[in-house]
Amino acid sequence: NAGVTQTPKFRVLKTGQSMTLLCAQDMNHEYMYWYRQDPGMGLRLIHYSVGEGTTAKGEVPDGYNVSRLKKQNFLLGLESAAPSQTSVYFCASSSAGDGNTGELFFGEGSRLTVL
Amino acid sequence: ELKVEQNPLFLSMQEGKNYTIYCNYSTTSDRLYWYRQDPGKSLESLFVLLSNGAVKQEGRLMASLDTKARLSTLHITAAVHDLSATYFCAVVPGPGTYKYIFGTGTRLKVLA
Repeated sequence: NAGVTQTPKFRVLKTGQSMTLLCAQDMNHEYMYWYRQDPGMGLRLIHYSVGEGTTAKGEVPDGYNVSRLKKQNFLLGLESAAPSQTSVYFCASSSAGDGNTGELFFGEGSRLTVL
Repeated sequence: ELKVEQNPLFLSMQEGKNYTIYCNYSTTSDRLYWYRQDPGKSLESLFVLLSNGAVKQEGRLMASLDTKARLSTLHITAAVHDLSATYFCAVVPGPGTYKYIFGTGTRLKVLA
């Protein structure tokens, strides 16, 4: 059981380049999330999705776009990367509905460096 | 806007000692989660607290939730080196919402 899988694990970009991070989960979870983690700042929510075809902004959405075309996948895009977007990105998912604890399951993280 | 604060941010303690990490949040919530993160790794779920007065224990760690005080505690009993990690609390602000807002984390170092 793979759980939550993120690709790529590492990436180096130049300022202005674009890229997409892919998150895939095989737990049939309704909710999916993208966070960024920076030293001393914990995890900050970028965007999230409560179901296929829906997305919503989190705490720090500027400079990022997301799409959830399939229930199991949540894509995070950077259209024009900036050095301030150098970070470790985590994807997470959770299940909805009564009887579920709402516990988040995390991917292994994607380390992005923007030069 | 929900704010989640943890203290202390850094904690260095001797093996065998007890200590408590605090998680305060600014708006109504009845769901709180604790996670552990080892350096360079992902986050691992520790506790799920879903109601006022909830208490969960696993080994040397015990977590509790007081929704009226908007406070959760993570108590460490007789610390061992293996507990060295960063601990995060996360709060969901109210029913019908789906955002998980994390605290800034408490970096714990247990000295042998």
